[in-house]
Amino acid sequence: DIQMTQSPSSLSASVGDRVTIPCRASHNIDVFLNWYQQKPGRAPKLLISAVSNLQSGVPSRFSGSGSGTDFTLTISSLQPEDFATYYCQQSFTIPMTFGPGTKVDI
Amino acid sequence: QITLRETGPTLVKPTQTLTLTCTFSGFSLTTRDVGVGWIRQPPGRALEWLALIYWDDDRQFSPSMKNRLTITKDSSKNQVVLTMTDVDPVDTATYFCAHRHITWNGIPYFDFWGQGTLVTVSS
Repeated sequence: DIQMTQSPSSLSASVGDRVTIPCRASHNIDVFLNWYQQKPGRAPKLLISAVSNLQSGVPSRFSGSGSGTDFTLTISSLQPEDFATYYCQQSFTIPMTFGPGTKVDI
Repeated sequence: QITLRETGPTLVKPTQTLTLTCTFSGFSLTTRDVGVGWIRQPPGRALEWLALIYWDDDRQFSPSMKNRLTITKDSSKNQVVLTMTDVDPVDTATYFCAHRHITWNGIPYFDFWGQGTLVTVSS
C-alpha cells in the first residue's frame, strides 16, 4: 500500500494568514493526488483533484502543487470558514489511501 | 444535482453481518467512468477507503478488508449495497458512500459524498 503522511497533524493560524499544508506519499504517485476538506460532523468535500484542479465553487484562495511524492495545499488568505481538517488522498493505485489529516484551527 | 444517502443499522452485534445501502440520484451507474465507493471514518480518526464498484460492474476492495466485503449495484434502483461480514467493535465508524469520477486525464476522485451513517458495533 502507498502510505500518505501529513505533518503537522494540526496547526494554528489566524484569519488572513497564508497557510501551507504538506502531504507526502511513500511512493511516486505522479499527479494522482486529491485534497478534501472536512468540518466536524460533516462529509468530506473535494477541493482539488489531480494536484491542482480546483473544483467548481471552491474559492480561488485554495491552490495545490507538487508531483511524485511531495504535495502542498495552500490557502492564500485564511478565512473563518476554512478552519477544518484537510486530507490528501492518492488515487494512483488500489487501495486508495488517505493521509491522517491536518487540522487547521485558531 | 448529484446526491447520495447511506442507510443501514446504527447498532450491530459482534460477528454479525452489516449491510449498508447507498441510494443516489443525479447520475447513472451505467455511464462510462462512473463509480460509487465506500469510505469509513472511525470516531476521531482518518478516512479509510473500503470498496468501489464501477459502471461496468468491475469491483475493487481494500486488501485488508477484501475477505469480508461484498459490493453490488442495482442500476435500475440507483442503489449500491455494501456488505461486511463478521463485524468487530473496531468496525465502529461513520460509513460514507461517494460518487467517483475521473479527470480529463484519467485521475480518479470522489466529488460527491453522502452525509454518512454512524454504525456502532457492540454487544
